[in-house]
Amino acid sequence: DAGVIQSPRHEVTEMGQEVTLRCKPISGHNSLFWYRQTMMRGLELLIYFNNNVPIDDSGMPEDRFSAKMPNASFSTLKIQPSEPRDSAVYFCASRQNSGTYEQYFGPGTRLTVT
Amino acid sequence: AQSVTQLGSHVSVSEGALVLLRCNYSSSVPPYLFWYVQYPNQGLQLLLKYTSAATLVKGINGFEAEFKKSETSFHLTKPSAHMSDAAEYFCAVSVNAGGTSYGKLTFGQGTILTVHP
Repeated sequence: DAGVIQSPRHEVTEMGQEVTLRCKPISGHNSLFWYRQTMMRGLELLIYFNNNVPIDDSGMPEDRFSAKMPNASFSTLKIQPSEPRDSAVYFCASRQNSGTYEQYFGPGTRLTVT
Repeated sequence: AQSVTQLGSHVSVSEGALVLLRCNYSSSVPPYLFWYVQYPNQGLQLLLKYTSAATLVKGINGFEAEFKKSETSFHLTKPSAHMSDAAEYFCAVSVNAGGTSYGKLTFGQGTILTVHP
């Protein structure tokens, strides 16, 4: 099993540019989660999807952030326009909607906005 | 709503010593509880989970945790620390409250474990 795949692993961009982060969940998993991790705020849930439908986006910081899941094997998190305060590590996680609900995390994308 | 408190943002032990990382939770319904480990520049990896079966749960790398309902605790222990255990550890709680909650995880703030030779 390849696990959760994220790309790119590192992204450096200038303020005002559009950034797109990508995630491929584990095959057969029904739910997908996007998190942001910073030293100041720790691990924050941004949004999650169940069967490709957004369920809870209350953690999305503002309208500059958007997420999509067009099919069961792909999701994107987009920031437009990006700002320096968006610099963080962004994680994607997936899980099955049965059993004990543990989530499996990808390796993360380290975003730096200058 | 559920919440998690990890006591101590940094814990330092000597190699071979007992590791004890503390986690207390708050939940109005029986929870599922998890410990994750994060090594530098990596994602979170599941160490172990409590799912209302045995209260003493064994995980990977020699770690275990005990669910104590009366104390609302789920502390993580390892009898003998290795240098390779140095990492950040996260406690998390999930409740299946039905509706749209879908067992969302709530994480603690994390505890950084340092192991001295």
